[in-house]
Amino acid sequence: SQTIHQWPATLVQPVGSPLSLECTVEGTSNPNLYWYRQAAGRGLQLLFYSVGIGQISSEVPQNLSASRPQDRQFILSSKKLLLSDSGFYLCAWSGQVEAFFGQGTRLTVV
Amino acid sequence: TQLLEQSPQFLSIQEGENLTVYCNSSSVFSSLQWYRQEPGEGPVLLVTVVTGGEVKKLKRLTFQFGDARKDSSLHITAAQPGDTGLYLCAGGRSNYQLIWGAGTKLIIKP
Repeated sequence: SQTIHQWPATLVQPVGSPLSLECTVEGTSNPNLYWYRQAAGRGLQLLFYSVGIGQISSEVPQNLSASRPQDRQFILSSKKLLLSDSGFYLCAWSGQVEAFFGQGTRLTVV
Repeated sequence: TQLLEQSPQFLSIQEGENLTVYCNSSSVFSSLQWYRQEPGEGPVLLVTVVTGGEVKKLKRLTFQFGDARKDSSLHITAAQPGDTGLYLCAGGRSNYQLIWGAGTKLIIKP
């Protein structure tokens, strides 16, 4: 069966520091991969999606970037974090229709 | 931009009551999914509907896709405290992207 791993679960980082969140999928090949950000108790904002290795589409221009160095690995990065980057980040994968999510990362920029 | 309007945004009711959550759009979707999310975790898929007029039941939850595939509803019968959570609807587009509703925060009081 397919599983998705996202880490870390929580992260506190100072303003101006770099960021790297990693997500890996097991049990499937060539998945569509997504990074979302979610405000407390609200819907999901799509940040990036990828349909293949090295293929990244950005939905919202911002201080973040994404990379897909391997088929089942998706990385969210920032060179210098801003206070406004705080939030709950979710990685997800899909085959054709449904999305399956990781546990999320609660990022607090201080 | 395709929008998916979800209502109500917040609902607090007593255990045993019935409730309905709605997702509406002016656009046609290839599928409509409902997810449930608990605090600090990723959303979990409840159901996918793909055919106009389709009705699916999951124990006390009934999901319906509108005839024109532009809207959907989630009805919960005899709500239980365990139903508490954030309910999200998502409409599928042909390029594997999902359009998300803003979520309904549901609280069931014992």
